[in-house]
Amino acid sequence: EVQLVESGGGLVKPGGSLRLSCAVSGFTFSSYTMNWVRQAPGKGLEWVSSISSSSSYIHYADSVKGRFTISRDNAKNSLYLQMNSLRAEDTSVYYCARVRIIDSAPYFVYWGQGTLVTVSS
Amino acid sequence: DIQMTQSPSSVSASVGDRVTITCRASQGISSWLAWYQQKPGKAPKLLIYAASSLQSGVPSRFSGSGSGTDFTLTISSLQPEDFATYYCQQAKSFPQTFGGGTKVEIK
Repeated sequence: EVQLVESGGGLVKPGGSLRLSCAVSGFTFSSYTMNWVRQAPGKGLEWVSSISSSSSYIHYADSVKGRFTISRDNAKNSLYLQMNSLRAEDTSVYYCARVRIIDSAPYFVYWGQGTLVTVSS
Repeated sequence: DIQMTQSPSSVSASVGDRVTITCRASQGISSWLAWYQQKPGKAPKLLIYAASSLQSGVPSRFSGSGSGTDFTLTISSLQPEDFATYYCQQAKSFPQTFGGGTKVEIK
């Protein structure tokens, strides 16, 4: 059974930092591109970042570029999101998601349960 | 960036109704489109990929159509478990953008 379990969320002050983790099981982690997607309270979904299986290709949304860093440890079956210079507008539930590539297009097939990040003074 | 616009933003329907949700892309995305269902407090669930392909395990009352810029998600006969919010997502290019969502509510 595929499982993705996020952790590391919490309350942080504006300008602070937080590191999210996503522990995966049930599939060969090192073979798949992974993503972070977030959802502000009561709002829609926003893709945040993507990392290829070998970390060769990394992409970020403009809203987090220069502040967030995605990484992975294939030996530990884990995905990470280092979030620095946090702002109130970063307050969201953060989901890790595994894609399935079909005709070169990525679709988010598996999702974790999400971890809430609240940025407030 | 490719903008995804969904309509309506909400729809009230009864069990057994046929429900149609539309999604428009700001530029052509061929068939690189997905539909997700999200229930309160839960992660999204992939329903449709490549515009019209049904994800494994998803009931056949869900169907998708369209290509280019205009897409449709249809629920042929609404069931109680289908009351949720639905999102489209373009998979053509980064950033992978989502529509604003359509909430399907009980009439």
